[in-house]
Order: sequence, then C-alpha cells, then structure tokens
Amino acid sequence: DAGVIQSPRHEVTEMGQEVTLRCKPISGHNSLFWYRQTMMRGLELLIYFNNNVPIDDSGMPEDRFSAKMPNASFSTLKIQPSEPRDSAVYFCASSPRHTGRNPYEQYFGPGTRLTVT
Amino acid sequence: TQLLEQSPQFLSIQEGENLTVYCNSSSVFSSLQWYRQEPGEGPVLLVTVVTGGEVKKLKRLTFQFGDARKDSSLHITAAQPGDTGLYLCAGEMGAGTYKYIFGTGTRLKVLA
Repeated sequence: DAGVIQSPRHEVTEMGQEVTLRCKPISGHNSLFWYRQTMMRGLELLIYFNNNVPIDDSGMPEDRFSAKMPNASFSTLKIQPSEPRDSAVYFCASSPRHTGRNPYEQYFGPGTRLTVT
Repeated sequence: TQLLEQSPQFLSIQEGENLTVYCNSSSVFSSLQWYRQEPGEGPVLLVTVVTGGEVKKLKRLTFQFGDARKDSSLHITAAQPGDTGLYLCAGEMGAGTYKYIFGTGTRLKVLA
C-alpha cells in the first residue's frame, strides 16, 4: 500500500512568492497533521485536521500560512508571501481512526524541502 | 519552550557497542513515542509506551517509560550500522489528544 504522498519533494522559490505544498494521506486515515522541521526548532506541529475539519491551528506561525483539506484524500499547506525564514522541511502525517484512549500512530510522508531565497 | 530534552545530542560509536539515549521533561505525558528518521525521509514510529514504568523490547532496542511518565530511555544493544539515524521522542500532551511534542533529537552514527 502507498504511504503518505507529498509533493513536490523539493521547492526553491524567491521571497514573496506563493508556495503550495500538497499531501495525500493514507486511504482510510481520518486524521492529518502538518509539521515543520528545522535544525533550530526541531519538529513542530503546525495544524491538525480530523475528518477534514481543522481542529487546532495554534502552531501555524502567522497569517501567511494557511492549510485546507477539501476532502479525505487531499490537503494543502500554502505560504503567501514566502520569506527566507520559512525554509524548512515540511512533513505531512496521517493517522487511522482514533478510538478510546489509544495513542495516535502517525505515519509520516517523505517531506517537502522548501528553500526560500 | 522545548518541553522534551534529549541527550546526548550526537553519538558516534563502533559497531557492536551498546548505547542509551535519554528523553527528559518536567511535564507529565499520557504516552510517549520513539521514532527513527533517516536522511531525506519522514520519521518512522518505533514504539509507543503508555504506562509509567513500562518496558518494551523491539529486537535489540529496549524502551522504558519513567515511573512518573516524565522521562524515557532507549537502549540499543550491539549497535549495527543500520541503526544510524535521528532518534526522536514525542510526548502526548493529554490522554486521547492528538498533540505530540517532539524532542530535540539524538543523531546516532554507528561505524562499521
């Protein structure tokens, strides 16, 4: 079975440009997470969706960042306008239906390496 | 504020040696997970521990959750080059929640 699919794998753009990152979660998973990883700050949760609905976006750095999940098989993370400090690896992760108190098992995609010059 | 501190930050050892990686916090976690991440890939879940004092073994890897559920350790016996990677711990902020806080990471290199 295919895992979490992210595109593009690498993105280089100039400051001020719009960037859109894409994610296809594992089929049947109902939770989706967007993370950002940098050397300085490690892996940070940006936003979490459950059943396509954004539950918590408190990790989104600022209004330049937005995320959508129009259906169960697709999500986007958009940065507009982009800045050099947004350079990082962005990961999407999905999780199967959560029941009871069982901890979430997150399955990560390969990531998108974003470089803003 | 980084809630989860991992030590050591970097570790380079010879094949066959044993090692322990620590994950410490002043916060109590409902559960704790360990991941391994290889270059150019996303983290891969190794184990989840839930109960204070719990010990889980995965082949040559032994994971322990502290009694107070504030810390955890990962012990690798007879390390192999295939164990090379970035090891991350992640603590669940509340029972049944989605929110995991990731640790600072330990970068392990096992030399053949």
